[in-house]
Amino acid sequence: DSGVTQTPKHLITATGQRVTLRCSPRSGDLSVYWYQQSLDQGLQFLIHYYNGEERAKGNILERFSAQQFPDLHSELNLSSLELGDSALYFCASSADRDTLEETQYFGPGTRLLVL
Amino acid sequence: ILNVEQSPQSLHVQEGDSTNFTCSFPSSNFYALHWYRWETAKSPEALFVMTLNGDEKKKGRISATLNTKEGYSYLYIKGSQPEDSATYLCAFNTFNTDKLIFGTGTRLQVFP
Repeated sequence: DSGVTQTPKHLITATGQRVTLRCSPRSGDLSVYWYQQSLDQGLQFLIHYYNGEERAKGNILERFSAQQFPDLHSELNLSSLELGDSALYFCASSADRDTLEETQYFGPGTRLLVL
Repeated sequence: ILNVEQSPQSLHVQEGDSTNFTCSFPSSNFYALHWYRWETAKSPEALFVMTLNGDEKKKGRISATLNTKEGYSYLYIKGSQPEDSATYLCAFNTFNTDKLIFGTGTRLQVFP
């Protein structure tokens, strides 16, 4: 158990809908990262938050947004869902962004299926 | 475009065999190379973080080497066991970014 929690574990929804994925980082970790794992693709970095502020954006669609709250938990909002958004979404946390070799600890993921 | 390549894509070995796989990455602006172990239905688990050219790390029967000048890292498993069956991911980040770029992984299956 990495100490990172994600809810829900599974989500089935329809095209056009909006969902929110939630992540709680390890106790004391300030950084939260979101990744998407689609079929036959590597983990794709979406976005990074550090202590409530957005620090880096990757291949994140405009239909997707995220935020990190004062208690450091993070939410990833996916809207106007399309079939191709079906994927495993991981959240990871690390302690300090100033240490670039910091290990990222992954949560169990949320599996999203868009029908 | 920064790209990480891992080979082979999959590997099947007998229990007791030693095995190794490769991670290739762009050598310019390199900062750190990460290896993760990902078992089915679990989350990726960090194995090693390596930053220095020539670095070697070891954890039990698993070890890794790093060549930053030519842009590759090897992961070795000595005396593979069925519980080593997993996908092994590598990822790297460059200077001034903590964004990890992942490869697609090497899927290892160890048969008893």
